[in-house]
Amino acid sequence: ELKVEQNPLFLSMQEGKNYTIYCNYSTTSDRLYWYRQDPGKSLESLFVLLSNGAVKQEGRLMASLDTKARLSTLHITAAVHDLSATYFCAVDFMNRDDKIIFGKGTRLHILP
Amino acid sequence: NAGVTQTPKFRILKIGQSMTLQCTQDMNHNYMYWYRQDPGMGLKLIYYSVGAGITDKGEVPNGYNVSRSTTEDFPLRLELAAPSQTSVYFCASSYRDYLNHEQYFGPGTRLTVT
Repeated sequence: ELKVEQNPLFLSMQEGKNYTIYCNYSTTSDRLYWYRQDPGKSLESLFVLLSNGAVKQEGRLMASLDTKARLSTLHITAAVHDLSATYFCAVDFMNRDDKIIFGKGTRLHILP
Repeated sequence: NAGVTQTPKFRILKIGQSMTLQCTQDMNHNYMYWYRQDPGMGLKLIYYSVGAGITDKGEVPNGYNVSRSTTEDFPLRLELAAPSQTSVYFCASSYRDYLNHEQYFGPGTRLTVT
């Protein structure tokens, strides 16, 4: 069964702190996407990770992919209030099962 | 480019009514998708299409129908609406090459069935 699990599902943190969101998946894939969703809004693409060891950075966010561990991480450095949102990972199984499976999302609340 | 557009933005339906959610993309993407997002939850795939004339079921297709007569348009039809179909519906598109299925999402349609 194709499964994608994110943790934590909810995270409240202080500004200036570092934290990591984890995305585990059940079956081999080497393509993974991270999206951001603001309340009441649509999803916005953040990162596209297309190979083992891929690392992408944008501002205070850095995403990485370890296909052998079936794990992606989204690391937040020195969090600021503007990063408060829900973050989704999505694992691409299109070449195997014709599916992209989303995690349940991590609701991030950064306290000023 | 407008990207992915969806209409309507909001709709209230009575139980048993039908409606069509419209989705259009102007990026010449071959893949298009319909998702639903229930409150506090992730996205569940309803239907997807790999090109004009080709559609396939996703995880939660019951109660919905789709068609894809052109590359640009991918309407979602709800027949006999039920309260369980209250949700936010997102349309997305992607250009599939071997490596990348990065999806571009529309603004969503918030549907309430009462």
